[in-house]
Amino acid sequence: QQPVQSPQAVILREGEDAVINCSSSKALYSVHWYRQKHGEAPVFLMILLKGGEQKGHEKISASFNEKKQQSSLYLTASQLSYSGTYFCGTGGGSNYKLTFGKGTLLTVNP
Amino acid sequence: DVKVTQSSRYLVKRTGEKVFLECVQDMDHENMFWYRQDPGLGLRLIYFSYDVKMKEKGDIPEGYSVSREKKERFSLILESASTNQTSMYLCASKGTASHYGYTFGSGTRLTVV
Repeated sequence: QQPVQSPQAVILREGEDAVINCSSSKALYSVHWYRQKHGEAPVFLMILLKGGEQKGHEKISASFNEKKQQSSLYLTASQLSYSGTYFCGTGGGSNYKLTFGKGTLLTVNP
Repeated sequence: DVKVTQSSRYLVKRTGEKVFLECVQDMDHENMFWYRQDPGLGLRLIYFSYDVKMKEKGDIPEGYSVSREKKERFSLILESASTNQTSMYLCASKGTASHYGYTFGSGTRLTVV
């Protein structure tokens, strides 16, 4: 079952912050976050593992709440280059298979 | 950098044809995956492989098969292409270290007419 991402779309002005949420009905062992720009392949941003700490990457960070089976991606002081579709991928075990959400379209305007 | 190469960027095939989509990775990754991406549906897993000659069904395997004869190559086969298989197909690979993510290929846009 696909994880549920919210919001489906968000529009920001440069410098504003955003939060993208990902929740699953299944127990999670890992959550991946990817960004896909139009016409390009998804690019790996970060992974959060069960029992692990909050991760960060430039001004993008994420958290993982195992009890609630949720993860959130935080984008602070957004830049034009942050525009794209963000996907969370959730994994339930050691076979590295991921189930992806439907994506969140982030648009950053000048 | 890991490179995942998909043989065709765009492909147009006729209904009923047998279609082969090829994917090659150059980093000795054990795990390889085939997803299809459709607007509003995200990425859906078709098949994956965690070793040579090993394969497992994903969430939407119907109408597809796969082949992994060599570690670096993972092929997706559409046995008899249908119009509802028109889609973007993405191949990905991943090493066994738990903190690594997927590396995706650039995708093959398949149109079945």
